[in-house]
Parts: sequence; structure tokens; C-alpha cells
Amino acid sequence: SAVISQKPSRDICQRGTSLTIQCQVDSQVTMMFWYRQQPGQSLTLIATANQGSEATYESGFVIDKFPISRPNLTFSTLTVSNMSPEDSSIYLCSVDPGNYGYTFGSGTRLTVV
Amino acid sequence: LAKTTQPISMDSYEGQEVNITCSHNNIATNDYITWYQQFPSQGPRFIIQGYKTKVTNEVASLFIPADRKSSTLSLPRVSLSDTAVYYCLVGVPSGTGTASKLTFGTGTRLQVTL
Repeated sequence: SAVISQKPSRDICQRGTSLTIQCQVDSQVTMMFWYRQQPGQSLTLIATANQGSEATYESGFVIDKFPISRPNLTFSTLTVSNMSPEDSSIYLCSVDPGNYGYTFGSGTRLTVV
Repeated sequence: LAKTTQPISMDSYEGQEVNITCSHNNIATNDYITWYQQFPSQGPRFIIQGYKTKVTNEVASLFIPADRKSSTLSLPRVSLSDTAVYYCLVGVPSGTGTASKLTFGTGTRLQVTL
């Protein structure tokens, strides 16, 4: 299966600032998915990122708040903009490597103070 | 996307077999059933996937009745390290060349003790 390197693993940020999370995959994939997992909760899809096109956002998530880049088939970034304490969550990226289920990154634990 | 319903939590002793049942009454004809495991501070990890009847791999078995409206994940002889959250999902299977977003339900929090 694919291996995903997600950075940073954790960060503590001041409210009003932005954080960019990176996901690097060791193989080429068409779609990359970004999820949010709030403390003690399940995963919620933020957006789907295709290379060469704008990301598709789920209800409740907007591009201005969570801009996504997908410059090539192995890399994507998610930015959490103008952060507030409510953005404190774990953010995960995911891909379908083609077998053995979807692969997830280890997550970025974000705390906004 | 079909909605899934699982027990919120389960407890087990080490060495026992654990069966976690998931309901998915509105499963579509083309949907597969997939289970993921998530440890604290990690992303979910694929366990097993199936369409009907029984699927077994080195870590678990998946039982799916003929009507496919439910499924049961069976973990044989659990150990402390199996303490995790287990998610049941239904939808387009991985590896089809048509990656699809996953919809996670609440999951089942399994606690294994001595």
C-alpha cells in the first residue's frame, strides 16, 4: 500500500494565523482527500483534491477557510486560515493506492490558542 | 451514501473473540463493506473489505448475510493492542480506479483488558 508522509505532526498556533499542512505520497494518485477529526469524534471529509483542478469541498467547508493545493500527483497541501480555537482538531489526508483500502496519513494535531 | 450504525463501545477480555456488528440497511448494489481500525494519534488503517458471504484475512473475518443489510467484523482472540476504534463503511471499494470519498460513522470503541 501507499506510504503518506504528513507534516507537521502537531502544532500550536495563535488565533488569527494560518497553518499549512503537507501530505507527500510515495506513489502517484489521482485523488487526495482531506479529513478533519475533532477530539473524540469521527472523521469528517473536508475536500477532495484532484491534480490540475480545483478541490471539491463538502458542505460546511469553504475554500477561503481551507485552501488546498495539488501541484502534482504525489503532493497536496491544506491550509487552515484565520484560525480560531474551534479549528483545533486532527487533520488527515488520505489516498486510494489501488489495493488494501485507503491509506491515511498519521495526522496533524492542531491546537489553536 | 449508505449510513451505518454501530455500537458506540464494547469491552472484552484478552483472548476472547470479539464480534462487532454494523447495520447498513440502505446499502446499494455496488457498495462494498469495509472496516478500518484507528489507534489514538494515528490515521485509520484498513482491516478488511467484502461484498457478500465471508471474507477472512490474517487479522479478521467479515461476515455478510445474504441481504447485505448488516455485517459483522470478527476479531479472534483479541489482545490489549486491539484496543482501538473500529469503523464500518459502505461504498465504492478501494482499488477500482475510481477513488471515492469515505463517509465515517461514529465507530465502535473497543476496550480490551486483562
